[in-house]
Amino acid sequence: NAGVTQTPKFQVLKTGQSMTLQCAQDMNHEYMSWYRQDPGMGLRLIHYSVGAGITDQGEVPNGYNVSRSTTEDFPLRLLSAAPSQTSVYFCASSVDYSVRYGYTFGSGTRLTVV
Amino acid sequence: AQSVAQPEDQVNVAEGNPLTVKCTYSVSGNPYLFWYVQYPNRGLQFLLKYITGDNLVKGSYGFEAEFNKSKTSFHLKKPSALVSDSALYFCAVRDTTSGTYKYIFGTGTRLKVLA
Repeated sequence: NAGVTQTPKFQVLKTGQSMTLQCAQDMNHEYMSWYRQDPGMGLRLIHYSVGAGITDQGEVPNGYNVSRSTTEDFPLRLLSAAPSQTSVYFCASSVDYSVRYGYTFGSGTRLTVV
Repeated sequence: AQSVAQPEDQVNVAEGNPLTVKCTYSVSGNPYLFWYVQYPNRGLQFLLKYITGDNLVKGSYGFEAEFNKSKTSFHLKKPSALVSDSALYFCAVRDTTSGTYKYIFGTGTRLKVLA
C-alpha cells in the first residue's frame, strides 16, 4: 500500500510560473485536502474535496485551484506563483469527512518561489 | 472562533523520563481532538483522537492523552520517553462549525529526548 503519494518532493519556481502539485491515494478515501505548512503557523487548509467531482475552498485558497475528477487524484494548481507561496505543501486523505477518522498525510512537497 | 494552543515551542526530556506535551483548546460544542506527529522530512502521522468516552485515550507508539473538559486541555503523555520520540507534535481540533470539515492545528511543539 502506497498510502498518499505526492510529487514532486522539491520544486523551485520563478515568480509568475504555474505548476501542478500531484496527490494520489490508493485507499479509496472519499475526503482529500491540501494544507500548507509555514513556520510558527501550523497547517492551514487550502482546498478540500468530499468526493469525486466535489471541491471547496479552505481558509487560504487564493492563488490555488483544484479539481477531483477521480477518487484517487487531487492535484493542486498554482496559477501564477508568488514568493508568498513558498511553503511545504501536504496532501491528506481520510475515509470520509466525519470526525471518526484521522487523516493520512503524504510526505510533502517543498516549494520555493524566487 | 475555534482554536488550539500549544504553549511550548520546545520540550526537552531525558530518555526514560515521562513526557508531557501540552495542548489547550477553545471550541463551541463538543470537542473532537487529535494528536499528530511529524518526523523530519515526513508528513504528519496520526497518533490518537478523542471523540467521546474515557478521558484517557491511548494511541500509537505508547502515547496517551488526557482530556480535561474543565481545563479545556488535551495533553499528550508517555510514561517513558525514547530518543526516537524526538519529533514535532501537533494538536488539532476538528472544526465542526465552518462546514469545511477541516482541522485547526496548533503551531506545533518540538520534542527533544536526550540520551
